[in-house]
Amino acid sequence: RKEVEQDPGPFNVPEGATVAFNCTYSNSASQSFFWYRQDCRKEPKLLMSVYSSGNEDGRFTAQLNRASQYISLLIRDSKLSDSATYLCVVGAGNMLTFGGGTRLMVKP
Amino acid sequence: DVKVTQSSRYLVKRTGEKVFLECVQDMDHENMFWYRQDPGLGLRLIYFSYDVKMKEKGDIPEGYSVSREKKERFSLILESASTNQTSMYLCASTRQSTYNEQFFGPGTRLTVL
Repeated sequence: RKEVEQDPGPFNVPEGATVAFNCTYSNSASQSFFWYRQDCRKEPKLLMSVYSSGNEDGRFTAQLNRASQYISLLIRDSKLSDSATYLCVVGAGNMLTFGGGTRLMVKP
Repeated sequence: DVKVTQSSRYLVKRTGEKVFLECVQDMDHENMFWYRQDPGLGLRLIYFSYDVKMKEKGDIPEGYSVSREKKERFSLILESASTNQTSMYLCASTRQSTYNEQFFGPGTRLTVL
């Protein structure tokens, strides 16, 4: 079983749609949680950290459920520029474990 | 603006060759990491270093070694390249804290023939 699991997709959605990704992790000692974004042939970049209370950044909302060990990312009003792979990342100590990523394609 | 640079974007080597991948960061970060990224497998940690001359094995260290002689530079070495080491190699750095983001270099796509 992978430590961090994501649906690889692709998720094909029209512009303006709302889309949600989930991610599950197996290490109950995990302390930090992130969503990274990776564009095609580019390096991953931090999209947002995920806090226990949930957090929002513009059209993006991240939530953490420690009891069930899953993390979610909600994107509202999808833009063409949101097309990318979204990586769920879980940290313990100085170490990060990356999920395989969920590919999102936003169509006109 | 944080910058992590890698010595090559694309590299083609032959089986058995010794390969050096260099990574330099300019933000005085303590921690540096080498990952490889393969389709369907995501990013997997090869080695990391939390200080000069210190190194720790990651999840897949076999066939690789590393060197960190200076704080800003972290090198990945393939002693004898093999075709199954064809991959995208990503270097990252971060401050010495659990909650800080990792900053990645642009990656080196290595092909071993």
